[in-house]
Amino acid sequence: EAQVTQNPRYLITVTGKKLTVTCSQNMNHEYMSWYRQDPGLGLRQIYYSMNVEVTDKGDVPEGYKVSRKEKRNFPLILESPSPNQTSLYFCASSPRSGGFTYEQYFGPGTRLTVT
Amino acid sequence: KNQVEQSPQSLIILEGKNCTLQCNYTVSPFSNLRWYKQDTGRGPVSLTIMTFSENTKSNGRYTATLDADTKQSSLHITASQLSDSASYICVVSTTDSWGKLQFGAGTQVVVTP
Repeated sequence: EAQVTQNPRYLITVTGKKLTVTCSQNMNHEYMSWYRQDPGLGLRQIYYSMNVEVTDKGDVPEGYKVSRKEKRNFPLILESPSPNQTSLYFCASSPRSGGFTYEQYFGPGTRLTVT
Repeated sequence: KNQVEQSPQSLIILEGKNCTLQCNYTVSPFSNLRWYKQDTGRGPVSLTIMTFSENTKSNGRYTATLDADTKQSSLHITASQLSDSASYICVVSTTDSWGKLQFGAGTQVVVTP
């Protein structure tokens, strides 16, 4: 089944403790992206990757890191999480970037709470 | 300031009725506009994607329109069903930044029996 998977789905952590949220897709997509969703603010793009070893900042990259060593995986790293990073996170993938009219497929989301 | 504005923020409609959601954007240079449906707690699902040259596109009971001159789009839901209760999100991308997408805050639709 074609899908985007994220792990973990739920995570409660403490301020400053490094964490990684994994994202994997099995559709051989070139483009992958991370978003966070907060009430009243909608979805905001954190980082995106046009292909392996190519990543770029979205609108809210501060406090996050990403890497794209393999085509299928695009982990989101929080080196020192803070309470303002408490949010619902979505990973998404697409055959090519958003500038093209390819459908973007979203993962199920990861609900992160930083205390 | 958000470059993609959606209205209304929320609306309640009776099952079987029609409704129209609005999206105004200032993003340029325009590449394409998408409408997504997002059920509570789940990832968005694509409804339509329109380019500059497309005025209307349908997906079942969902019909999207685009006026690239006025930078406005609408999503019309026909004969609403309870399963249409969701958030509807307008997303715009540009030709000069292929990877970045600009999201509206969404319109929360509640369909009541």
